[in-house]
Amino acid sequence: QVQVVQSGAEVKKPGASVKLSCKASGDTFTTFYMHWVRQAPGQGLEWVGVIHPGDGSTSYPQKFQGRVTVTRDTSTSTVYMELSSLTSEDTAIYYCARDNHAFDIWGQGTMVTVSS
Amino acid sequence: DIVMTQTPLSLPVTLGQPASISCRSSQSLVHSDGSTYLSWLHQRPGQPPRLLIYKISNRFSGVPDRFSGSGAGTDFTLKISRVEAEDVGVYYCMQATQFPLSWTFGQGTKVEIK
Repeated sequence: QVQVVQSGAEVKKPGASVKLSCKASGDTFTTFYMHWVRQAPGQGLEWVGVIHPGDGSTSYPQKFQGRVTVTRDTSTSTVYMELSSLTSEDTAIYYCARDNHAFDIWGQGTMVTVSS
Repeated sequence: DIVMTQTPLSLPVTLGQPASISCRSSQSLVHSDGSTYLSWLHQRPGQPPRLLIYKISNRFSGVPDRFSGSGAGTDFTLKISRVEAEDVGVYYCMQATQFPLSWTFGQGTKVEIK
């Protein structure tokens, strides 16, 4: 049973960066896209970015271009998401999710709070 | 980018009664490989979303058969044949047809018991 486990909650000041991790179990790490999705308090789901762990290719929505970087470490089956120039609007739960042409496995979520 | 529009955004339901949620995409979700990558997710309060339906109408592992999906092209529907208390929460449609460039979610439909 494949699982993804995310790193713990973060509190950051405006203007700082945050780097989150998402570790996948099982031996199919390089097969499926891995996404980052966020959810601001009381809001819906918002796609933040994706990586294909096999070749490291990435894609990001226009809104986050230049501010988000998704990377991976195949030796530890871990993907990372770094978001820079944080503002209060980046306060949200950040999820990683495996993509098997649908988001079939989700991490537990990481709360990121941006506050001065 | 493809825009996903759900209706209604709020859905009060009676236990044991059917419920239906609509999702419309701004362009066809038929991929060049012939598949339509439209899925439905359910999120209970305080929990991550979980996959219910993939490729329009396929129930994910462990999903009760009271959930069904239908549709084609740009119009899709999620139906619950008889709502149970555990079905409350927010339902999202999402498209993965524009892979590997873009994925988008609907706004979500909040289902609550009357």
